Amino acid sequence: GAVVSQHPSRVICKSGTSVKIECRSLDFQATTMFWYRQFPKQSLMLMATSNEGSKATYEQGVEKDKFLINHASLTLSTLTVTSAHPEDSSFYICSASSDRDNSYEQYFGPGTRLTVT
Amino acid sequence: RKEVEQDPGPFNVPEGATVAFNCTYSNSASQSFFWYRQDCRKEPKLLMSVYSSGNEDGRFTAQLNRASQYISLLIRDSKLSDSATYLCVVNGYYGGSQGNLIFGKGTKLSVKP
Repeated sequence: GAVVSQHPSRVICKSGTSVKIECRSLDFQATTMFWYRQFPKQSLMLMATSNEGSKATYEQGVEKDKFLINHASLTLSTLTVTSAHPEDSSFYICSASSDRDNSYEQYFGPGTRLTVT
Repeated sequence: RKEVEQDPGPFNVPEGATVAFNCTYSNSASQSFFWYRQDCRKEPKLLMSVYSSGNEDGRFTAQLNRASQYISLLIRDSKLSDSATYLCVVNGYYGGSQGNLIFGKGTKLSVKP
């Protein structure tokens, strides 16, 4: 159980375009979903936290108008990178958690590798 | 001081060796602690949670020292398949709400035949 999927796994786009990444919890309802970004040889950095039906909470330094997060259901959250630039090229990973058992465990998706040319 | 600090390594060890990773965290209010492993270009996967009493899972032993804000992971009889980056992860629990996972940069382990 506790499987999280992401789509696409890899995307290449041109500078100035927008890219949408989907994160789905396949076998559980995720009350909270998290979006992380990881640059080469760096640690995962939390970008934002989203709860179903409410606005995402962004970490300091993350532009909410550039990284649009929608958490419309308990099994789906999307991250849209708007007007992407080469410096947005990174590994984007989502995770999902359920507060059902007061566990803080997060289940990670397989990640999306974004390359902006 | 960084929130979660780890020795970046790399640790290059022969098969069968015992290797220990250390980690320190800065927020004394942190409540949950984990070790994840991350293979190259993959997502992190939970290896084990870390409890105050210490816990063991096969060849892996994790220890937590809250007074020193220190976490360790010991791998015994290392296998080639243990080669990965090991991430020390701390969850900050603040006032009844689920906190965020704070990741260390990871310690890279390379087990050689």
